[in-house]
Amino acid sequence: TQLLEQSPQFLSIQEGENLTVYCNSSSVFSSLQWYRQEPGEGPVLLVTVVTGGEVKKLKRLTFQFGDARKDSSLHITAAQPGDTGLYLCAGGSRYNTDKLIFGTGTRLQVFP
Amino acid sequence: EPEVTQTPSHQVTQMGQEVILRCVPISNHLYFYWYRQILGQKVEFLVSFYNNEISEKSEIFDDQFSVERPDGSNFTLKIRSTKLEDSAMYFCASSETGLAGEEQYFGPGTRLTVT
Repeated sequence: TQLLEQSPQFLSIQEGENLTVYCNSSSVFSSLQWYRQEPGEGPVLLVTVVTGGEVKKLKRLTFQFGDARKDSSLHITAAQPGDTGLYLCAGGSRYNTDKLIFGTGTRLQVFP
Repeated sequence: EPEVTQTPSHQVTQMGQEVILRCVPISNHLYFYWYRQILGQKVEFLVSFYNNEISEKSEIFDDQFSVERPDGSNFTLKIRSTKLEDSAMYFCASSETGLAGEEQYFGPGTRLTVT
């Protein structure tokens, strides 16, 4: 069974601080997607990484896929209150193109 | 921008009743999915659907569940006899071709409450 563990589970920081969220597994994934989910809404895709070692930037957000494609990280620079939300990583199975396996989630709160 | 839509947004039903959750995937997408999220827990895969057939299903997707694409636009999830533990947010998603690494786009979800 493929599992994705995210850390930390909760994160409360002040506006302007930097933070990193980790997504780890013992399994290899064909791709890793990061989503953000607001209360009562569906996950909204932020980025997809597919190549080991790949780094993608989305404004103040930097996403990295581990060389072995077993882990990923999300780094936010100078966090803002608008970054508050639930961040989810989701892995595409190496052997099956269908399902996404979701991580346990990181709930971020940024205080002004 | 095209999006996945779901109806209803909230469904309350009594234990043992049948419910049908509806989804309209993005129009040119070929792969459709249902996921669920029990309150406070992670999002879990239920089933994927391609070319009018189930492509893969999880252990959660037992005989009480079924999926259907009754016409060219709708994709439905039916729960025949609901249980209390079926209470969750149900998300529909779609992807263009289902290839590895391709994005899945999620709808806003249906909150199912079984009493």
